[in-house]
Amino acid sequence: GAGVSQSPRYKVAKRGQDVALRCDPISGHVSLFWYQQALGQGPEFLTYFQNEAQLDKSGLPSDRFFAERPEGSVSTLKIQRTQQEDSAVYLCASSQAGHYGYTFGSGTRLTVV
Amino acid sequence: QQPVQSPQAVILREGEDAVINCSSSKALYSVHWYRQKHGEAPVFLMILLKGGEQKGHDKISASFNEKKQQSSLYLTASQLSYSGTYFCGTAHYGNNRLAFGKGNQVVVIP
Repeated sequence: GAGVSQSPRYKVAKRGQDVALRCDPISGHVSLFWYQQALGQGPEFLTYFQNEAQLDKSGLPSDRFFAERPEGSVSTLKIQRTQQEDSAVYLCASSQAGHYGYTFGSGTRLTVV
Repeated sequence: QQPVQSPQAVILREGEDAVINCSSSKALYSVHWYRQKHGEAPVFLMILLKGGEQKGHDKISASFNEKKQQSSLYLTASQLSYSGTYFCGTAHYGNNRLAFGKGNQVVVIP
């Protein structure tokens, strides 16, 4: 597609509920990244995929966070048993292989109540 | 390792120049610059890969001093559209992920 598409745009979850956030990267982009952005802060790294392989998941804050990219294109970030501190904007970005700039999606704003 | 950005905020009039900085305590392989407007996604401006390299995007240019582990972004003859928060993202050797700073908020007024 023309850009990185994320859905849903907004998600309100009750504490303890599971959520799934979807990212559809630019076609042909090998690298895919998930970031978490709190209000007034810079994006914080969560995890990185190269094609379908998850090469770095060191930024995932707990084992409640899980990400996958089974066919090397669409990726899903799943958060189990959501907590209030999970409230943030979740950004997905994709890029070509090598050292290229990232194209970010518009993000999913998650609010846990 | 999160880079440090300074100053935190800049207010300037249309047509004025400004410099914002990004520094790291670890050796850098590359520096990215992005601009984010309120409620929108960060937008890629440029990437700098080599020591001393300079690049430009419209009237926005940047330098990268690999030895000093820092980068500067130069906003020349600023336009209203330059308003937003500028983030630098740094990559270190052997690491594919970017670490972002807290951002420099830039406000350009008429």
